[in-house]
Amino acid sequence: EVQLVESGGGLVQPGGSLRLSCAGSGFTLSNYEVNWVRQAPGKGLEWVAYSSGSGPTVAYSDSVRGRFTISKDNANNALYLHLNSLRANDTAVYYCTRGDYGSGPGSLWGQGTPVAVSS
Amino acid sequence: EIVLTQSPATLSLSPGDRATLSCRASQSVRIYLAWYQQKPGQAPRLLIYDASNRATGIPARFIGSGSGTDFTLTITSLEPEDFAVYYCQQRSDWPPFTFGQGTKLEIK
Repeated sequence: EVQLVESGGGLVQPGGSLRLSCAGSGFTLSNYEVNWVRQAPGKGLEWVAYSSGSGPTVAYSDSVRGRFTISKDNANNALYLHLNSLRANDTAVYYCTRGDYGSGPGSLWGQGTPVAVSS
Repeated sequence: EIVLTQSPATLSLSPGDRATLSCRASQSVRIYLAWYQQKPGQAPRLLIYDASNRATGIPARFIGSGSGTDFTLTITSLEPEDFAVYYCQQRSDWPPFTFGQGTKLEIK
């Protein structure tokens, strides 16, 4: 089955760090663009970060640039979002999405992983 | 940054009704607009891409239209499973891939 599986979320104190994982199943993740999208409790969707498929291009929203970074693990068919200097307003469910050529950045979504930033 | 404004915020209709959801962009996004459906406790799923193309497996009652700055998602005859929150997203000028704030379609 073709799917994305996120993991790594949890409860962290303000200023702390987490590493979120996005694993591809049934396809080769590095052949696709990947985005991270988050959703704060009771709120709408917010795009967070982008990674090109085979190339080095990454992009971040203004709200996370300088604190979040993307890295790739092609051997494990995975991509990571490193969350540093976490703030209370980073609390959200984090989704990874696969972008398909022609149909855009949200063609396939994972189930999401929750991140809670609280003391 | 392109801002997407969805209206109405909430739409109350009955099964069998026709639903019309709007998404307006602050500047032209050409045809590069997508619509997503999100049900409680679930991830969003892609319904429409590039303004009018249904994603794989999406029923024909979901119709996307528009270009430039004004877009519409029409659901021709609402089924019980269609009551959800709908988001639009642009990919014309990025980053960021901005989303609208959502329209909640609720049962009247």
